[in-house]
Amino acid sequence: KAGVTQTPRYLIKTRGQQVTLSCSPISGHRSVSWYQQTPGQGLQFLFEYFSETQRNKGNFPGRFSGRQFSNSRSEMNVSTLELGDSALYLCASSSPSTGGRETQYFGPGTRLLVL
Amino acid sequence: AQSVTQLDSHVSVSEGTPVLLRCNYSSSYSPSLFWYVQHPNKGLQLLLKYTSAATLVKGINGFEAEFKKSETSFHLTKPSAHMSDAAEYFCVVSDRNSGNTGKLIFGQGTTLQVKP
Repeated sequence: KAGVTQTPRYLIKTRGQQVTLSCSPISGHRSVSWYQQTPGQGLQFLFEYFSETQRNKGNFPGRFSGRQFSNSRSEMNVSTLELGDSALYLCASSSPSTGGRETQYFGPGTRLLVL
Repeated sequence: AQSVTQLDSHVSVSEGTPVLLRCNYSSSYSPSLFWYVQHPNKGLQLLLKYTSAATLVKGINGFEAEFKKSETSFHLTKPSAHMSDAAEYFCVVSDRNSGNTGKLIFGQGTTLQVKP
């Protein structure tokens, strides 16, 4: 099976712009989660989508949003970019199981640089 | 609230010597615990996971971890380090407070340096 893919891999934007990142999960996986990784804050949970519905959300401002399509592919959008949004954005997919013990498999990430 | 603490931000070993990366967790529930590895400029790769079956969990590349409820620990070990093991390692707990949803809580990471 192909792994989780993310596009683009690298992105440079300027403050005030908006950006859309894409994630294609492993075939058959219906849950997609997004994480932000920065040197200062480490890895932080952004949100999770399952069957086109946001199931959980982290503590990020409303500038961060996402969606999931019927084929489980997901996008996240950041509007009005700030310098502090520079980070590696990681997407993970999982297959539902009982008890919340599903394993998440990560993509290679999109590295966003905001100038 | 669930949390994980990685006790060392940086560990340095010589090639061929044992590796020990320490992790303590806090959880009100029976936790799901994971170790992930991240090589430079790469995504996260799952090393192993604990989901309340055997307390000694074997993973890829010779790594293993032992779940010790009495000590709330989930330390990662490997008998003999290889140069290719140099990377950042994350101890992770699944946040079941969110109701079985996909929120992982990460430790701050441990950088493993392997000297020749």
